[in-house]
Amino acid sequence: DQQVKQNSPSLSVQEGRISILNCDYTNSMFDYFLWYKKYPAEGPTFLISISSIKDKNEDGRFTVFLNKSAKHLSLHIVPSQPGDSAVYFCAASDKTSYDKVIFGPGTSLSVIP
Amino acid sequence: NAGVTQTPKFRVLKTGQSMTLLCAQDMNHEYMYWYRQDPGMGLRLIHYSVGEGTTAKGEVPDGYNVSRLKKQNFLLGLESAAPSQTSVYFCASTSADTQYFGPGTRLTVL
Repeated sequence: DQQVKQNSPSLSVQEGRISILNCDYTNSMFDYFLWYKKYPAEGPTFLISISSIKDKNEDGRFTVFLNKSAKHLSLHIVPSQPGDSAVYFCAASDKTSYDKVIFGPGTSLSVIP
Repeated sequence: NAGVTQTPKFRVLKTGQSMTLLCAQDMNHEYMYWYRQDPGMGLRLIHYSVGEGTTAKGEVPDGYNVSRLKKQNFLLGLESAAPSQTSVYFCASTSADTQYFGPGTRLTVL
């Protein structure tokens, strides 16, 4: 049973609009959440993270929102750019140690010029 | 600064063959990891190492062995490959707060 779920395998958005990628988790012990971005034929790269003591973290065009009661987080990209087209992985951990990180299956984002 | 590199990029094996995947990092990181990624699933941790000479099991260690004889290298071995090990394998290393991934090795076991 997947502890980290990304129920949308793919998402298409027009350039300049907002992209919203969603992630749900089942383990209430998770207290640290990460988003990674992956281009084809490359490894994932870290994008942004959030601790459970916060409900929002922002880094430039990227904002992650955390709703602990709903066990839900989302990544907002504003404005979306064609270079944002990639697979986005949500990940969660009950410690800030990477051997405990559980990854979701990913959402493929296409930003249409 | 090459970051994390993986050798080879692609490999096709027959069932029962063995092979070793090499991961190298030039960032002097203590922690290194091996993951596999399968369609419809996230990355799953196979084995990891917290320093030279140490290894530990991750979520899916069966059928794999690892060694960390040098700090900069982390080797993943398949002693007797099975079709279920067809996957994309990623290596990673970690600084204090960021994980860096290699480009991946696509392995097919026939």
